[in-house]
Amino acid sequence: QLQLQESGPGLVKPSETLSLTCTVSGGSISRGTYYWGWLRQPPGKGLEWIGSIYNNGRAFFNPSLKSRVTISVDTSKNQFSLKLPSVTAADTAVYYCARHGGGGWTIFDFWGQGTVVTVSS
Amino acid sequence: QSALTQPASVSGSPGQSITISCTGTSSDVGGSDYVSWYQHHPGNAPKLMIYDVTNRPSGVSDRFSGSKSGNTASLTISGLQAEDEADYYCTSYTNSDTLCVFGTGTKVTVL
Repeated sequence: QLQLQESGPGLVKPSETLSLTCTVSGGSISRGTYYWGWLRQPPGKGLEWIGSIYNNGRAFFNPSLKSRVTISVDTSKNQFSLKLPSVTAADTAVYYCARHGGGGWTIFDFWGQGTVVTVSS
Repeated sequence: QSALTQPASVSGSPGQSITISCTGTSSDVGGSDYVSWYQHHPGNAPKLMIYDVTNRPSGVSDRFSGSKSGNTASLTISGLQAEDEADYYCTSYTNSDTLCVFGTGTKVTVL
């Protein structure tokens, strides 16, 4: 069974960089026709897709975050990562990683449990 | 690119049926057969309930069904149960330079 697990600091200071890693187990990140994605849910708000990356490094992003986000993949470690610089309180959220696939790229079928990131000094 | 529009809340009594709408444009919902629905209980990871407009993943109750007409997709929950109380999100393929677009989310309350 495929499993995903987010890791990273739970507290980030304003203006610093949020960095999270998703470790995939039970399957190879290099196999199959899948992207690997990041999503988040700020407190009291809806779920937001941040972006997704293929095992060859090709990435797509939510247009509203595209200018700020970096997503990378390390196939040797079966991991992919998110970097969000210059964070503000608005970036406080539960962050999820997920496998992203389907014919129309609307299927997120395996998810991490989510990690809470708070932006505060 | 705008998020797909969902009603903020929908409610129903146990045993009733409710329908959640997801309205987009001809560039997303109206132009593809790729709409998915997710159930999200706070504190848990979201769960895929419907994909490709009408298909249910293995293990999802047949009380959940999906449909689409024009630029609006819909999720119907029949025989509403207390455990169905959650947030629901739609997502659609989009022909813009990105992979997908999400809905604004709907809170389902079982009265």
